[in-house]
Amino acid sequence: EDKVVQSPLSLVVHEGDTVTLNCSYEVTNFRSLLWYKQEKKAPTFLFMLTSSGIEKKSGRLSSILDKKELFSILNITATQTGDSAIYLCAGLYFGGSQGNLIFGKGTKLSVKP
Amino acid sequence: EAGVAQSPRYKIIEKRQSVAFWCNPISGHATLYWYQQILGQGPKLLIQFQNNGVVDDSQLPKDRFSAERLKGVDSTLKIQPAKLEDSAVYLCASSLGQTGSPLHFGNGTRLTVT
Repeated sequence: EDKVVQSPLSLVVHEGDTVTLNCSYEVTNFRSLLWYKQEKKAPTFLFMLTSSGIEKKSGRLSSILDKKELFSILNITATQTGDSAIYLCAGLYFGGSQGNLIFGKGTKLSVKP
Repeated sequence: EAGVAQSPRYKIIEKRQSVAFWCNPISGHATLYWYQQILGQGPKLLIQFQNNGVVDDSQLPKDRFSAERLKGVDSTLKIQPAKLEDSAVYLCASSLGQTGSPLHFGNGTRLTVT
């Protein structure tokens, strides 16, 4: 059965800390790994990783995919209280010609001032 | 560009009642998804449309859930009759449908069944 497992499920840090969120996957017809940030509203898209070993960066956030070991990490440096959210990892797979996502349960990050 | 629009934002109903949610995807997005997100879990796919055709509804509880996307744009998701375990956030997402295009989510409808 396809699955995406995230760890830790929750994390509490202080402003300025660096955090690493983990995501492992077993997804048939896997194409890409996506990261989303979910605050109280819609999940907002962060990264899509398709190639192994190529880091993607956006400000203080970065992510990388290892397709051999079937995992990805999301790094956040110099955390701020605004980074508090649930971070969702999802595997994009293709059944037929259409893509679809299977999500992990998410990591709840709380950044204390 | 305008995002995915959903309504209502919140809905509280009693069990055995019916409810409907509406979604307007991003303009030009051919693929539309409905996800159910139970508290503490990641979103789970209910149904996927490509234009006005169903691509995947394998996880839709068809005895009580139905969805349609007439004209290939807006979509409605209906639950009839609702059960307590249907309490969740219902997220609509859309994508261009092309290889490698990410999904963009709406703000969701939070349903509470009492």
